[in-house]
Amino acid sequence: GQNIDQPTEMTATEGAIVQINCTYQTSGFNGLFWYQQHAGEAPTFLSYNVLDGLEEKGRFSSFLSRSKGYSYLLLKELQMKDSASYLCAALDSNYQLIWGAGTKLIIKP
Amino acid sequence: DAGITQSPRYKITETGRQVTLMCHQTWSHSYMFWYRQDLGHGLRLIYYSAAADITDKGEVPDGYVVSRSKTENFPLTLESATRSQTSVYFCASSRTENTEAFFGQGTRLTVV
Repeated sequence: GQNIDQPTEMTATEGAIVQINCTYQTSGFNGLFWYQQHAGEAPTFLSYNVLDGLEEKGRFSSFLSRSKGYSYLLLKELQMKDSASYLCAALDSNYQLIWGAGTKLIIKP
Repeated sequence: DAGITQSPRYKITETGRQVTLMCHQTWSHSYMFWYRQDLGHGLRLIYYSAAADITDKGEVPDGYVVSRSKTENFPLTLESATRSQTSVYFCASSRTENTEAFFGQGTRLTVV
């Protein structure tokens, strides 16, 4: 079956760095997305990786290893507004998005 | 206004009633999606559409009906609502099948 695994919850300190991991098992692979979702709001796009390596976008970076079925989202210089759920989603061979349950990130001052 | 909008934002309905959730986007995106989001689960795809008059089932289509007569609209109908359909429903659109999706604000549906 198809599956996405990511930690349920993580806690980090304001100003620090946090890495949120995601492992996936899909029938074929056409890329991996990360979305941010604040409580009570809609998900918003953060990144898309289809090739191996690190993509940097300001304070956020996303990494992909296709051979390992693994991705991570790296958040630097954490701010209180980064408290949110982070959703990992893999695109399978039929271009269907398989979603993880999300990682709730709690930022403490 | 430009973007993707859902209505209503909140809805309470009774078991057995038919209810329709509306979704409208102004980007002329080809792809539109309906998801439900429940605690402990990721987003689960109900139905999607690749273009006007083309719809297909997702992971959890039972009890739902969609149509897409115009590119910009993608309504979702619960034919006979059940308590298990209490959820937050998100509509989304994307330009292609592998580009970012833009989500509506969500509809919180409660079936009593």
